Amino acid sequence: GAGVSQSPRYKVTKRGQDVALRCDPISGHVSLYWYRQALGQGPEFLTYFNYEAQQDKSGLPNDRFSAERPEGSISTLTIQRTEQRDSAMYRCASSLVLDTQYFGPGTRLTVL
Amino acid sequence: AQSVTQLGSHVSVSEGALVLLRCNYSSSVPPYLFWYVQYPNQGLQLLLKYTSAATLVKGINGFEAEFKKSETSFHLTKPSAHMSDAAEYFCAVSGYGGATNKLIFGTGTLLAVQP
Repeated sequence: GAGVSQSPRYKVTKRGQDVALRCDPISGHVSLYWYRQALGQGPEFLTYFNYEAQQDKSGLPNDRFSAERPEGSISTLTIQRTEQRDSAMYRCASSLVLDTQYFGPGTRLTVL
Repeated sequence: AQSVTQLGSHVSVSEGALVLLRCNYSSSVPPYLFWYVQYPNQGLQLLLKYTSAATLVKGINGFEAEFKKSETSFHLTKPSAHMSDAAEYFCAVSGYGGATNKLIFGTGTLLAVQP
């Protein structure tokens, strides 16, 4: 009965470094979503997978951001050449197809 | 296009008083509507959702919300606030029957409960 897990919970990096954020969805959940939440704001959609297929990446802010889910389970969100404006809480959610999304605890990214 | 507006970024009530958190939506298709709650250092937890069935939706912890199409609103209420209700609350909308149910969130309302 494990929920969505994310790692690391906190990540501090220097500007220009690459970071990889991991999401492990609820077992059996087909859909996986990534959101970004800036301080004082609501979560903002980044990208979405059904199984291993990336269905919608319209929310990725630029080409430094990418995501993959190669085996249809665990997903990795990668940010290359990080910038200070990338600092935020990154949230992952999973669901059955077109069903309620269950969120993980998030990864707090700080770019110095 | 879809959007959500939450009126009042901070709401303070006394313990035992009525809680009313406001949410208005805009959607070009029939919407699904959600309220999520975020406790400190925790993930978002679903309180309740509207998916075109009954317009009055009951959720966990005594919360409920009413879908009013004419007012494009989905306000969250609880008759009597408890100290444990102090948290941040987010309203969200997604498209009904679409190929994706990505959520569009409001900016959140921080609820404080005074003893």
